[in-house]
Amino acid sequence: QQQVKQSPQSLIVQKGGISIINCAYENTAFDYFPWYQQFPGKGPALLIAIRPDVSEKKEGRFTISFNKSAKQFSLHIMDSQPGDSATYFCAASIGGYNKLIFGAGTRLAVHP
Amino acid sequence: EAQVTQNPRYLITVTGKKLTVTCSQNMNHEYMSWYRQDPGLGLRQIYYSMNVEVTDKGDVPEGYKVSRKEKRNFPLILESPSPNQTSLYFCASSLRASQPQHFGDGTRLSIL
Repeated sequence: QQQVKQSPQSLIVQKGGISIINCAYENTAFDYFPWYQQFPGKGPALLIAIRPDVSEKKEGRFTISFNKSAKQFSLHIMDSQPGDSATYFCAASIGGYNKLIFGAGTRLAVHP
Repeated sequence: EAQVTQNPRYLITVTGKKLTVTCSQNMNHEYMSWYRQDPGLGLRQIYYSMNVEVTDKGDVPEGYKVSRKEKRNFPLILESPSPNQTSLYFCASSLRASQPQHFGDGTRLSIL
């Protein structure tokens, strides 16, 4: 049983559009929610992260929205570019970075 | 250049033949970890190490061993590999458990 459920599995967006990836979790003890970006042949790299004391965090074109009552968080990529084409993983952990529980991943393709 | 180096990057082997995947980091990180990535399951933690001679099980430790005799190295050992261990493996490290993890580029293992 996956503790962090991620959707959609795959996503196609036109250049300039908004990409939205959603995650839901069950364990209310989770207190750290990162998103990772993975390019083919590479390991995941931390993209942006949020803690449950804020509802939104923005870094450039990437925004995390967090809904504590619904136990959901999402990644929004504004003005999506072909270079954003990658697999994105949400994750959650308790008390820090070390024991991360990952979602299943979303393969994003941004078409020119 | 700061990096996490895994070897080999690719390996095809047969059931029961012991193998070791090496992981080395040059950042003097205390915390190191191994994950496996499978389609539809995301990344799952196998083992982690908080420091030299300190290791602990992650979520899917069965069939794997690790050791941490030196700070920079954290090898993953499959004593008797089986086909269900065919996967993409990632090593990661961080300065401390409370810091973001840096991932290696992965090792693709195929066990026939």
